[in-house]
Amino acid sequence: NFMLTQPHSVSESPGKTVTISCTRSSGSIATNYVQWYQQRPGRAPNVVIYEDNQRPSGVPDRFSGSVDSSSNSASLTISGLKTEDEADYYCQSYENNDRVFGGGTKLTVL
Amino acid sequence: QLQLQESGPGLVRPSETLSLTCTVSGGSTSSISYYWGWIRQPPGKGLEWIGSVYDSGSTFYNPSLKSRVTMSVDTSNNQFSLRLKSVTAADTAVYYCAREYQPLLDSWGQGILVTVSS
Repeated sequence: NFMLTQPHSVSESPGKTVTISCTRSSGSIATNYVQWYQQRPGRAPNVVIYEDNQRPSGVPDRFSGSVDSSSNSASLTISGLKTEDEADYYCQSYENNDRVFGGGTKLTVL
Repeated sequence: QLQLQESGPGLVRPSETLSLTCTVSGGSTSSISYYWGWIRQPPGKGLEWIGSVYDSGSTFYNPSLKSRVTMSVDTSNNQFSLRLKSVTAADTAVYYCAREYQPLLDSWGQGILVTVSS
């Protein structure tokens, strides 16, 4: 099976832009869609990006997703950072019938 | 609006079986469009997919847990369930149920903390 590797933590100032990476260990990142979930402390996760770059209704367009086959990785970019964006972010993908989560990235907005 | 609610014991003894139920409201577990999944999160750690079940009874389990996991759907009561046998302290986690509209988990329960301890 494959793994998804994320940086443990990132930090940035309000109003700036931050990008969180998610690298697939084996197999092509482009083969299966990548999703991104936001999890605030004590809360269940909720999806902010699905199918690589689609935003669910209600998610601000400050959130965007992309996939880069050359680095075999997906990225979540958040622009115009707000303090409310401070949370853990998890990427997720699948292969055949297995679903895999990345280890999560703690975003600090300071 | 779809809501999912986990229920079950918050304390399980080592070597025993963890049993949880997820009750779905505002939607149907017999919908052909969705899978129903379980995900867990040990305290202070990341998310781990446990498995997914379809209303037909088809199941897909995390290979690392497959030997201990059983999932099923009860469409008459609009519920689905998780059984994890031979638990140890490493199975202590918040357990979430979720609706899966492949490929995304689009609705989640609030989670239930299950502690494995004697």
